[in-house]
Amino acid sequence: KQEVTQIPAALSVPEGENLVLNCSFTDSAIYNLQWFRQDPGKGLTSLLLIQSSQREQTSGRLNASLDKSSGRSTLYIAASQPGDSATYLCAVRSNSGGSNYKLTFGKGTLLTVNP
Amino acid sequence: DAGITQSPRHKVTETGTPVTLRCHQTENHRYMYWYRQDPGHGLRLIHYSYGVKDTDKGEVSDGYSVSRSKTEDFLLTLESATSSQTSVYFCASKHEASALHFGNGTRLTVT
Repeated sequence: KQEVTQIPAALSVPEGENLVLNCSFTDSAIYNLQWFRQDPGKGLTSLLLIQSSQREQTSGRLNASLDKSSGRSTLYIAASQPGDSATYLCAVRSNSGGSNYKLTFGKGTLLTVNP
Repeated sequence: DAGITQSPRHKVTETGTPVTLRCHQTENHRYMYWYRQDPGHGLRLIHYSYGVKDTDKGEVSDGYSVSRSKTEDFLLTLESATSSQTSVYFCASKHEASALHFGNGTRLTVT
């Protein structure tokens, strides 16, 4: 059974700092991995999707990397801003087992960027 | 948001009553999902659909049923609501290899 872990559970940084959020998964047979952000009381917004054949994806100040063999992904946020404050979740779509339609979510990292 | 609408946005109901939550998407996505989100548990899959009338159970399906009679609509029914089903419910949809997109959620309170 796939398990996804995100460490740390919470992170507080000053504005302008570069930071890294971590996501690890137990089964390396994945189809893709997706990073989301969730603002309080809102749904999840997709940030980046990395297919299993890719090593990284970039969107603006965000860069996500994927190392399947070690079961890890990182989300790098450059020059953080207070508006980046949110919960960041990663989700893995596994490529093994009876159904590969399902995603397994981590519990998220709560990021606070202080002005 | 990719054109995913959930209704209602908020609902308060009494224990033992049936409740139906609706998810409507305008993206012609094949796959649709219902999740619940609770503090300490994160997002947990209730049921999902991989086509019209094709559905399967997720990890927390007891007490829930779903129906998908059209591509755009995915209904979640609580047959007899219990207090343990108080939660925020999210619908999501996707194409085969595309990103998963979420609705804004339904906050359900069972008293």
